[in-house]
Amino acid sequence: AQSVTQLGSHVSVSEGALVLLRCNYSSSVPPYLFWYVQYPNQGLQLLLKYTSAATLVKGINGFEAEFKKSETSFHLTKPSAHMSDAAEYFCAVSDTGTYKYIFGTGTRLKVLA
Amino acid sequence: EPEVTQTPSHQVTQMGQEVILRCVPISNHLYFYWYRQILGQKVEFLVSFYNNEISEKSEIFDDQFSVERPDGSNFTLKIRSTKLEDSAMYFCASSGVGRGQQYFGPGTRLTVL
Repeated sequence: AQSVTQLGSHVSVSEGALVLLRCNYSSSVPPYLFWYVQYPNQGLQLLLKYTSAATLVKGINGFEAEFKKSETSFHLTKPSAHMSDAAEYFCAVSDTGTYKYIFGTGTRLKVLA
Repeated sequence: EPEVTQTPSHQVTQMGQEVILRCVPISNHLYFYWYRQILGQKVEFLVSFYNNEISEKSEIFDDQFSVERPDGSNFTLKIRSTKLEDSAMYFCASSGVGRGQQYFGPGTRLTVL
């Protein structure tokens, strides 16, 4: 069964520093991949998605992610963290033959002043 | 921008009681989903619904759960006899196509006492 692994349940970065949140999936067939952000007491907002087009995907708020088939990874990056980026980030995968999303355990990003 | 809405935002109930969580998906979407997130854990798929029937469900979605689209706009999740372990945030989502982007609502926090 498809699974998603997010390394690091908590990540802290200084304001202005690079943000790197890791996501690995298990399927041998490239699935659709998503990153969602959840601010406190809010729902899930899509940051970006990979659906087998360009391997470097740009999303909202300056985030981007690169699909690397050889590493089965879809890491999320942002060159310069902002205080408003503090939130929980979820990687999700939608496998072939199913419409459901499988979510990772989430990474809580803290941005230090 | 169209959005998924959910009511109520917070529901408190006694163990053994029935609850109905309501969702209004985006109006031209055809695929509907329920997910849940137990506090501190990852988001888990419960059920998907298309063409007035369940298309997929997880092992969590047992006989205590049911879904319905009672009219052209609402999508509901019913829990017949709530248990303490049903306490969670429940998210509704909808998509225009089967493997398209899922749009999530803000969630209903269910607390079972």
